[in-house]
Amino acid sequence: DVKVTQSSRYLVKRTGEKVFLECVQDMDHENMFWYRQDPGLGLRLIYFSYDVKMKEKGDIPEGYSVSREKKERFSLILESASTNQTSMYLCASSLIRDTDTEAFFGQGTRLTVV
Amino acid sequence: DQQVKQNSPSLSVQEGRISILNCDYTNSMFDYFLWYKKYPAEGPTFLISISSIKDKNEDGRFTVFLNKSAKHLSLHIVPSQPGDSAVYFCAALEITGANSKLTFGKGITLSVRP
Repeated sequence: DVKVTQSSRYLVKRTGEKVFLECVQDMDHENMFWYRQDPGLGLRLIYFSYDVKMKEKGDIPEGYSVSREKKERFSLILESASTNQTSMYLCASSLIRDTDTEAFFGQGTRLTVV
Repeated sequence: DQQVKQNSPSLSVQEGRISILNCDYTNSMFDYFLWYKKYPAEGPTFLISISSIKDKNEDGRFTVFLNKSAKHLSLHIVPSQPGDSAVYFCAALEITGANSKLTFGKGITLSVRP
């Protein structure tokens, strides 16, 4: 079974704190993604990575950065957390081939910034 | 500008009837389209996908239809069951070389009434 694991289910952080959200996958996937989900806005792509040390901005990268030092781990960093970053964060990974079109998601991290 | 659009925020159907969830897109370069189902406090789970070169894919109660000329796809669930009540996301995958980018719609909340 493919497994994508996010380090925390729930996090509460203070405004201005530096926040690390960790994601690990065990399927040797090249592609990894970070999304946030907000009511009425669906899933919005923050950053994605298609290889170690490679990263690409998604649709809403402002206020975030990422790190991919190892293939299996993709970290999302909030340099200085703000209340508008309170959200559900979802990590996904995929291995894109002609017939393999599925992306696997972690269970999500509910982040609250107070 | 949204490239993947789910224009209806919600749908309510009677158990046993057909649920039709619609999705429109603007980018003709998308290679695959995927549907995900999400329960509250869980990560999205993959349902079914379709390649851009096909017009139909069926898996049990779930069928996805793709109309490339209209840039429209739909997910049919027949027969609908109360356990199908969830948020459904349409997603589109663009593959460029070894990279891929997955873009989601805002989601539609399906309620199946017993």
